[in-house]
Amino acid sequence: AQSVTQPDIHITVSEGASLELRCNYSYGATPYLFWYVQSPGQGLQLLLKYFSGDTLVQGIKGFEAEFKRSQSSFNLRKPSVHWSDAAEYFCAVTGGATNKLIFGTGTLLAVQP
Amino acid sequence: ETGVTQTPRHLVMGMTNKKSLKCEQHLGHNAMYWYKQSAKKPLELMFVYSLEERVENNSVPSRFSPECPNSSHLFLHLHTLQPEDSALYLCASSPLRVETPYGYTFGSGTRLTVV
Repeated sequence: AQSVTQPDIHITVSEGASLELRCNYSYGATPYLFWYVQSPGQGLQLLLKYFSGDTLVQGIKGFEAEFKRSQSSFNLRKPSVHWSDAAEYFCAVTGGATNKLIFGTGTLLAVQP
Repeated sequence: ETGVTQTPRHLVMGMTNKKSLKCEQHLGHNAMYWYKQSAKKPLELMFVYSLEERVENNSVPSRFSPECPNSSHLFLHLHTLQPEDSALYLCASSPLRVETPYGYTFGSGTRLTVV
């Protein structure tokens, strides 16, 4: 079955520290992977996506993610976190024959001053 | 401005009321979706419309009734809801296939409270 696991429900980091949010997927075919961010009371905004090619993808707001097929992972990283990055982050997967996105349960990021 | 507009932003309704949520997109997308987001639960895909035809209905109770009159508009008609239906309802749109630069575009959601 297709699924996405985000093992960390809550993460707290200090402003200026580096960040890595974990995402593992289970998908039978070639996956297309996404990271979305949701600020309180808002919809989901696309941060970045991976379809094919270079396994390190760059997104908006200084985020990047690396696709590792051998580990079925697509972890999100940022070298230096800003207070405005506090939000909930969702990893999602879909495949070529369908446009149905499967979401993880999300990771809530808190940023300490 | 996300390109997908949802109205109203907030809605409080009694269990015997009938109301509708509206979603509008002018991105040229041909697929539209309703998601339910409850506290401490994963995003739940409720309905999928492709070219104005419902292609998926994930065991959603009949008190939720979707309507897609054209590719730019999607409605969710609500009647005799239960308190557990209180949630953030998100609309999204996409091209028919997700192999495009932007994937899904989400609206800001309607925060529904059933009293």
